[in-house]
Amino acid sequence: AQSVAQPEDQVNVAEGNPLTVKCTYSVSGNPYLFWYVQYPNRGLQFLLKYITGDNLVKGSYGFEAEFNKSQTSFHLKKPSALVSDSALYFCAVRVNNAGNMLTFGGGTRLMVKP
Amino acid sequence: DSGVTQTPKHLITATGQRVTLRCSPRSGDLSVYWYQQSLDQGLQFLIQYYNGEERAKGNILERFSAQQFPDLHSELNLSSLELGDSALYFCASSTRDYLNNEQFFGPGTRLTVL
Repeated sequence: AQSVAQPEDQVNVAEGNPLTVKCTYSVSGNPYLFWYVQYPNRGLQFLLKYITGDNLVKGSYGFEAEFNKSQTSFHLKKPSALVSDSALYFCAVRVNNAGNMLTFGGGTRLMVKP
Repeated sequence: DSGVTQTPKHLITATGQRVTLRCSPRSGDLSVYWYQQSLDQGLQFLIQYYNGEERAKGNILERFSAQQFPDLHSELNLSSLELGDSALYFCASSTRDYLNNEQFFGPGTRLTVL
């Protein structure tokens, strides 16, 4: 069965500094990987996905993620953090089966301080 | 705004009761997914429907059931409610194209069981 791990419950970064939110996965077969963000009292918003192709994926709001097959990781990155990036971030994996369900990591709270 | 709507936004009820949560997918999306988000279990997939047919089942209790109607809206029925069912319930939708299968989430229904 597939699984996703987000090893950090919280990441703190100063505004203007680069940020990384870590994600590792375990699947059998080709992984389809996603990042979502959740703001307080809101639903999840799609940020980016890796299906195939270039290992560096660019997404919304200046975020990008790097797929590393050998390390089974899909870390989320941004060159310069904004206070408004503070939110809960979820990594998810989907294995191409009949169901296409997403398995989510536990989430990482990103706190960007001015 | 993802285009996915959920009603009601909040629901407060008592143990033993039954409630129905409603979801309207984005225009044109055939797949509907239900997820439960709670503090102890995190974000968990419950069930998926595709064009009216059940497609995949996750960690859904036998007390819970769902269906997707011909107009593609979906309802999640929760019965014999327990305190532990208190959670945020999300609906998501996606197109049929599995290679471009990001899910778009609604704002959620917050269920409180007293």
